[in-house]
Amino acid sequence: DQQVKQNSPSLSVQEGRISILNCDYTNSMFDYFLWYKKYPAEGPTFLISISSIKDKNEDGRFTVFLNKSAKHLSLHIVPSQPGDSAVYFCAAVSNFGNEKLTFGTGTRLTIIP
Amino acid sequence: DAGVIQSPRHEVTEMGQEVTLRCKPISGHNSLFWYRQTMMRGLELLIYFNNNVPIDDSGMPEDRFSAKMPNASFSTLKIQPSEPRDSAVYFCASKKRDSDYGYTFGSGTRLTVV
Repeated sequence: DQQVKQNSPSLSVQEGRISILNCDYTNSMFDYFLWYKKYPAEGPTFLISISSIKDKNEDGRFTVFLNKSAKHLSLHIVPSQPGDSAVYFCAAVSNFGNEKLTFGTGTRLTIIP
Repeated sequence: DAGVIQSPRHEVTEMGQEVTLRCKPISGHNSLFWYRQTMMRGLELLIYFNNNVPIDDSGMPEDRFSAKMPNASFSTLKIQPSEPRDSAVYFCASKKRDSDYGYTFGSGTRLTVV
C-alpha cells in the first residue's frame, strides 16, 4: 500500500523552463512534507519542506505547493538548470512523535540543454 | 563532518550467504534509519533507532533481516540467508532527534544477490 505516490516515473524539461513534479498522498495524518533530490551513486539530499499549516514554501528557484483538500503537493523549479537533472523523492511524516518518513517512488527529471 | 558513512559501497554475494551492511552516523545524531530502495517501491523504511534503541522495525521484510546498534557511532544490517529478491540499494540515514526532518543519508550499499 503506497501511501505516497509519484505517478510520473520520468519528466523531461527544456533548460530555462519550469519543471513541475507532482506527489499525492493518501494518509490524512501526514502533516509535514519534504522533497529530496538524488544523484546517481549518492544518497538523497534534503531539498525543501512544507508544514501542513502552509500552502506554499519558497527557497530560491524551488517552491513547494500543498493542497491539503486534494492531498496533493507539487515542486516547482524555475528556471530549470542542467544540474537539476536527478531523481526527486517526495516524502511525508505524521508529526505525532513519529520520525518515520514515508517516501514515494521518485521522479527522474532530465533537463535538456 | 564526514557525513554518514556506509560500507561496503557494493556487495555481490551468492544466494544463501550472510550479508552484513555497516553504517556510521554523524556524530551527535541520535536517530538512525535503514532504508531500502527498489524501482517498484521507492525508498522503504526498514527500521529506525533512537539513542541506540530500536523503535520501529515494522518495515523489516522477514526474519532473515536483523539490525543492531551497539553504540551511538555504529549500526549493522544483516541478511541471513540472502536471496536474489534482496538485491537493492540500502541506505542509512541519521538526524538529531527533535530537529527538523532533514535526514542526512549515506551514499548507500548496492547489494546484488546472485
